[in-house]
Amino acid sequence: QSALTQPASVSGSPGQSITIPCTGTSSDVGGYNCVSWYQQHPGKAPKVMIYDVSNRPSGVSYRFSGSKSGNTASLTISGLQAEDEADYYCSSYTSSSTVVFGGGTKLTVL
Amino acid sequence: QVQLQESGPGLVKPSQTLSLTCTVSGGSISSGSYYWSWIRQPAGKGLEWIGRIYTSGRTNYNPSLKSRVTISVDTSKNQFSLQLSSVTAADTAVYYCARANPGGDYYYYYMDVWGKGTTVTVSS
Repeated sequence: QSALTQPASVSGSPGQSITIPCTGTSSDVGGYNCVSWYQQHPGKAPKVMIYDVSNRPSGVSYRFSGSKSGNTASLTISGLQAEDEADYYCSSYTSSSTVVFGGGTKLTVL
Repeated sequence: QVQLQESGPGLVKPSQTLSLTCTVSGGSISSGSYYWSWIRQPAGKGLEWIGRIYTSGRTNYNPSLKSRVTISVDTSKNQFSLQLSSVTAADTAVYYCARANPGGDYYYYYMDVWGKGTTVTVSS
């Protein structure tokens, strides 16, 4: 299975909004409402921020939102804060009953 | 609050079998509706899904690793395990165990509880 495609890096200033795209195929992202997003700070385990394309787990800030159009899912972070600087990974269920991750995007808060 | 903890050798010789165990605390591995997963991350690189197991023993594996991977569960010990055979330097990574939540469509795909990870180095 091929990894989902994400940009290697994105950046934004505090208070701004950024969007991270995640492109897959009709066998994963486009075929299921099973996209999740993870935040990972250096040396830490990943933390789920979005599941089922656009749902936020309890305790995750409303500033994080998710969406999907066709084979591309997106994570939007509004009102950027310094603490949002981290690596972000998308993930999807696949038609082979497996899970695939994106390559990861490093978010820099300027 | 369910917690996961990985354990196992930090150093494995090339061609040998890597074996790790994940101990589940704060809840029974058999309760609820979850799959139990392994994910790895080479230093400076992205996450790679290795596979998952249900308490019935049903498994799914990453096709690129399927020939070398076995995931098993021991409900009496509240643990699940990973074995990766014929390892090479490319298998050097931080290995995480995680709980896979069903999601609205019951595909058990997103990981909502993670262990802290354990570093495994493959070297002679």
